[in-house]
Amino acid sequence: DTAVSQTPKYLVTQMGNDKSIKCEQNLGHDTMYWYKQDSKKFLKIMFSYNNKELIINETVPNRFSPKSPDKAHLNLHINSLELGDSAVYFCASRPGYGSYEQFFGPGTRLTVL
Amino acid sequence: AQTVTQSQPEMSVQEAETVTLSCTYDTSESDYYLFWYKQPPSRQMILVIRQEAYKQQNATENRFSVNFQKAAKSFSLKISDSQLGDAAMYFCAYMVPTSGTYKYIFGTGTRLKVLA
Repeated sequence: DTAVSQTPKYLVTQMGNDKSIKCEQNLGHDTMYWYKQDSKKFLKIMFSYNNKELIINETVPNRFSPKSPDKAHLNLHINSLELGDSAVYFCASRPGYGSYEQFFGPGTRLTVL
Repeated sequence: AQTVTQSQPEMSVQEAETVTLSCTYDTSESDYYLFWYKQPPSRQMILVIRQEAYKQQNATENRFSVNFQKAAKSFSLKISDSQLGDAAMYFCAYMVPTSGTYKYIFGTGTRLKVLA
């Protein structure tokens, strides 16, 4: 019955590798987001998709590439991982126009060694 | 620039007492939404309370209430009868329309400790 799920929950990898994080929501929401929470707990939006279309790209390095195969899924692929990419990445979804609450996934803790 | 400021990095409260967490924001928008989220050690983001800027009445959810001062751009969270389970990071967030959708801008968070 999980509303917004992310896999994996933990990811440990070496610098220079490429990795992906998957997100799925079963709420029928139109809009999905990726956020990054750094070591100081600061949460910042990275991307937003609405019905598979990229709407927001907050000057994220192009090593990060989101992909939305359908409106229930928003995956995040990261190329050439760097130490500074270590963070918790949250996926979130929102129903659409007229509703303003975002529903967050459990987060993926990425550690780059 | 749209910013959210939480000036208290950490707060402590005795169990059963009341605590207020402060939040100020900066915006030129007239239509926006404000939220408080709780993040316990499990790291799940949990919505505590929300306030629509067009509503003058302060939102209340059980032991949680806000003091929304639109002119002062202030949105504080009051937790009454604090419980051990309230211990968590609390984030103030401001939602603003952008590029045909909405995005959240978060404050830096306040860590709340509840003392038994």
